[in-house]
Amino acid sequence: SQKIEQNSEALNIQEGKTATLTCNYTNYSPAYLQWYRQDPGRGPVFLLLIRENEKEKRKERLKVTFDTTLKQSLFHITASQPADSATYLCALPAGNTGKLIFGQGTTLQVKP
Amino acid sequence: EPEVTQTPSHQVTQMGQEVILRCVPISNHLYFYWYRQILGQKVEFLVSFYNNEISEKSEIFDDQFSVERPDGSNFTLKIRSTKLEDSAMYFCASGKSSYNEQFFGPGTRLTVL
Repeated sequence: SQKIEQNSEALNIQEGKTATLTCNYTNYSPAYLQWYRQDPGRGPVFLLLIRENEKEKRKERLKVTFDTTLKQSLFHITASQPADSATYLCALPAGNTGKLIFGQGTTLQVKP
Repeated sequence: EPEVTQTPSHQVTQMGQEVILRCVPISNHLYFYWYRQILGQKVEFLVSFYNNEISEKSEIFDDQFSVERPDGSNFTLKIRSTKLEDSAMYFCASGKSSYNEQFFGPGTRLTVL
């Protein structure tokens, strides 16, 4: 069955450094991949979508890569700030109805 | 900026009671979804809805669940007879197409006692 894995251990980094989060998937050939941010008790907030024919996508301090051979996406936050502290979710489509399957998320803690 | 809204923010109910969770999706979106998240667990897909009908539902979405778009703006999730294990955060989401990003509401925390 389709499986998405994100590092379940929290990532602690110092302010100003680059955070790199990983999303691996198996039994899957998704046409695109999405990253969301979730704060405690809140709904996921869309950040970036990258399609299978795109190697890299950027938005301000965020960068996503998508390697369909390795079945992996990397999510980078450069010049990280304490306000970036949150859980980051990887999501892949399953089928053509828009259904998303989410990873368990990686919690990022940026220390001042 | 348009956003998805949900009411109530918190619903407490007794086991066996019916609940209706309400959502107002973004107005020009055509695809609507419900997801749920049990505390400490992943966000899980429940159902997708397009053109006034269910396009896909998960195994969780059994006969106790139903969705409706009663007018041009609201999108509701009904649980007919709640169980303890239905306690979770329920998120509504909407999107312009099935191949684009989804916008999530703030969620309704359902507590079944």
